[in-house]
Amino acid sequence: AQTVTQSQPEMSVQEAETVTLSCTYDTSESNYYLFWYKQPPSRQMILVIRQEAYKQQNATENRFSVNFQKAAKSFSLKISDSQLGDTAMYFCAFMKLGTNQFYFGTGTSLTVIP
Amino acid sequence: GAVVSQHPSWVICKSGTSVKIECRSLDFQATTMFWYRQFPKQSLMLMATSNEGSKATYEQGVEKDKFLINHASLTLSTLTVTSAHPEDSSFYICSARDPWGGDKNIQYFGAGTRLSVL
Repeated sequence: AQTVTQSQPEMSVQEAETVTLSCTYDTSESNYYLFWYKQPPSRQMILVIRQEAYKQQNATENRFSVNFQKAAKSFSLKISDSQLGDTAMYFCAFMKLGTNQFYFGTGTSLTVIP
Repeated sequence: GAVVSQHPSWVICKSGTSVKIECRSLDFQATTMFWYRQFPKQSLMLMATSNEGSKATYEQGVEKDKFLINHASLTLSTLTVTSAHPEDSSFYICSARDPWGGDKNIQYFGAGTRLSVL
């Protein structure tokens, strides 16, 4: 079974600053995807960024980037130039290729302070 | 991106009654949809995988007779909470993937349904 661990239940960051959210996972699979989803107070889950395990290059989406360390099974999310709208719950998720079954971490509640 | 609509967004019901929650893919066809349950300030727990035209696959510990899933068309899956009790109060979220879309590995989520059983 796959497990996803987010060790930071809560974090805060000053507006315009940079913050990094941690995620580790445990799997014996070699082909998989990793995701970061954002859940704002509206509760709508929004995809932030995705990483294919076979790609060595770290994914980047505007202000969001990841540090994917496959050997260490680590998948951290960096948010640059934090904005008030980034305040949300962030979930790290694992998906084995071909299954479409997601395993979510316990989430990190991020608050951006004006 | 693809849109998943979930209805209702909030429902309150009396103990012992049944509640149906709908999950629709609005601009794509979804052969597979997923139902999750989320307790306050906790993660999403997969309840079941809904397969169009066949029986749903339930996760261990999820009561099949309690949570009835029907996926009668490529755009609609329903979750019925039968004989609801206060302990069933939770936030239920559905998701779907677009098997024919540009990115088959992304799941698109509905906005969730808050169920309150009195």
